[in-house]
Parts: sequence; structure tokens; C-alpha cells
Amino acid sequence: QQQVKQSPQSLIVQKGGISIINCAYENTAFDYFPWYQQFPGKGPALLIAIRPDVSEKKEGRFTISFNKSAKQFSLHIMDSQPGDSATYFCAANYNQGGKLIFGQGTELSVKP
Amino acid sequence: NAGVTQTPKFQVLKTGQSMTLQCAQDMNHEYMSWYRQDPGMGLRLIHYSVGAGITDQGEVPNGYNVSRSTTEDFPLRLLSAAPSQTSVYFCASSYRGQGGGYTFGSGTRLTVV
Repeated sequence: QQQVKQSPQSLIVQKGGISIINCAYENTAFDYFPWYQQFPGKGPALLIAIRPDVSEKKEGRFTISFNKSAKQFSLHIMDSQPGDSATYFCAANYNQGGKLIFGQGTELSVKP
Repeated sequence: NAGVTQTPKFQVLKTGQSMTLQCAQDMNHEYMSWYRQDPGMGLRLIHYSVGAGITDQGEVPNGYNVSRSTTEDFPLRLLSAAPSQTSVYFCASSYRGQGGGYTFGSGTRLTVV
């Protein structure tokens, strides 16, 4: 049973384009929704996060959109750059941070 | 400030052998977790801890044991290694109440033959 479902599995975007990654969750007890970025051979690193009482959060070129009623959230990367090429994971947390559950990951490739 | 340190970085085990993956953090984080990463499966939670002396099971706990005797250390024990445990293992830590803002180690690549 996958508690957090992520799509697509892989994504190819041209430089300057918009990358969109979607996630859906089932457990309404989740109370924090972070996104992580992982480069090959490295551990994941926190990118941006949102709480369910907020519909959108923007940090630079990265935006999270959150739809609580649909139990869905998405990451938008504006003006995508080759340096953004990485694997992106959505996640959902409850138990006040003690239990963080990840989606399956999206491998993003930004072509120059 | 070292952050989250995992040792070893690489390990090859024979089926049936046991071993301990080490994880230490120097940030005084209350929360610590172990994940395994497999292609197409994302990061799956094995065990987690919300403080010294407190541990709980994650999504895939079978075949693994943990203990948390100090705030700094959270070792992961493989009792009897199986080929299905071939994976990359990540340890992560966070302050209490920080939500999902975890700091990850650089990982241990384990191969069971």
C-alpha cells in the first residue's frame, strides 16, 4: 500500500520550460508536505515544504500547489535549467515529524 | 559540523551474515530515521525514533533491528542478510516539530550475495 503516489516516474523538459511533478496521498492525518531533491550519489536534500492550511508556496523558481480536498499536491519548477536535473521526491509527514513517508520519485532531465 | 555521518559507505555481505550500519549526528536532533532506496520504489521507511530510548517501525521493518541509546547514534542491524536487502540505505535526522525537514547522510550501498 503506497501512502504517497508520485507521477510521472521520469520527465524530460527543455531548458526554460516548466517542470511539473504530481503527488497524491490518502492519509488525512498527514500534516506537512516537503519536497526533496537528490543528485546522483548524494542523499536527498530538502527543497521546499508546505502545510495543508496553505494552498501555494513559492521559493524562487520552485512552487508547491496544494489541494487539500483532492488530497493532491504538486511541484512546479519554472524556467527549468540543466542544473535542475535530479531526482525529486514528494513526501508526507505525521506524528509531528517522526514518520516521513516518500513517494516513488521523479527523475527530471532538463535538456539544454 | 559534520551533520549526519554514515559508515561504511560500501559493504558486501554474504547471505546469512549479520552487520550493523552506523549513523551518527552532531546536531542534537531528536528525530532519526532509516530509509532504503531501491529503483522505482522511492525511499521506504524502515525504522524511526523520536528520542533516545524510543523507536518504532516504519513501512518495511522486517529483517532489521534498531536501538537508540543516545541522542547522537541510531544504528541499524541486519540480523541475517538476504539478497532482497541489497539496497542503498540512508539515515536522516530532524529537530522535533520541524515537520519533514530532515537532514540526510550520504548513504551506505549494501550488496548481499
